[in-house]
Amino acid sequence: QQQVKQSPQSLIVQKGGISIINCAYENTAFDYFPWYQQFPGKGPALLIAIRPDVSEKKEGRFTISFNKSAKQFSLHIMDSQPGDSATYFCAASQEYGNKLVFGAGTILRVKS
Amino acid sequence: NAGVTQTPKFQVLKTGQSMTLQCAQDMNHEYMSWYRQDPGMGLRLIHYSVGAGITDQGEVPNGYNVSRSTTEDFPLRLLSAAPSQTSVYFCASSQRLTVGTEAFFGQGTRLTVV
Repeated sequence: QQQVKQSPQSLIVQKGGISIINCAYENTAFDYFPWYQQFPGKGPALLIAIRPDVSEKKEGRFTISFNKSAKQFSLHIMDSQPGDSATYFCAASQEYGNKLVFGAGTILRVKS
Repeated sequence: NAGVTQTPKFQVLKTGQSMTLQCAQDMNHEYMSWYRQDPGMGLRLIHYSVGAGITDQGEVPNGYNVSRSTTEDFPLRLLSAAPSQTSVYFCASSQRLTVGTEAFFGQGTRLTVV
């Protein structure tokens, strides 16, 4: 069963718009939530990460919103650019562990 | 600083053949992992290691074998390849995961089993 559910599967956004990707988890033992970005032919690379004691974290145009009671978290990409076109994965892990559980991925396309 | 290096990048195997996917890291990370990536399923953990001489199974270990004799290397062995093992394989290394650390992934090995 998928421990981390990610939606949507694909997303098309106009340049300058906001891209929003959502994830939900079941295992309350998870306490580290990273987002990874993957370009074609490359390995995933860390974009931003959050712990559940923080409701929001912002790094440049990228923001994670975290709702611990709902067991949901989301990635917002502000002022989306064509260079942001990639596959995005949410993931979860127990902090100080090393086993990442990934969502199914969202293919983002930003139209110029 | 090369990071995580995987070889080969591409491989075609016949059903029943065996092979080893190589992974090496030069960051002195204690943790190394193998994932497979399939369309619509994200990345799934195959095997992982928390240090030299210590390995354990992940979510989808069947048909794969690992060993970790050094900190740097973590090879993945396919014992008898099956078409269901057609996938893209990623090796990752990290320190303990928390905000401020990260798992570094290799470029991947695209494996096709015919």
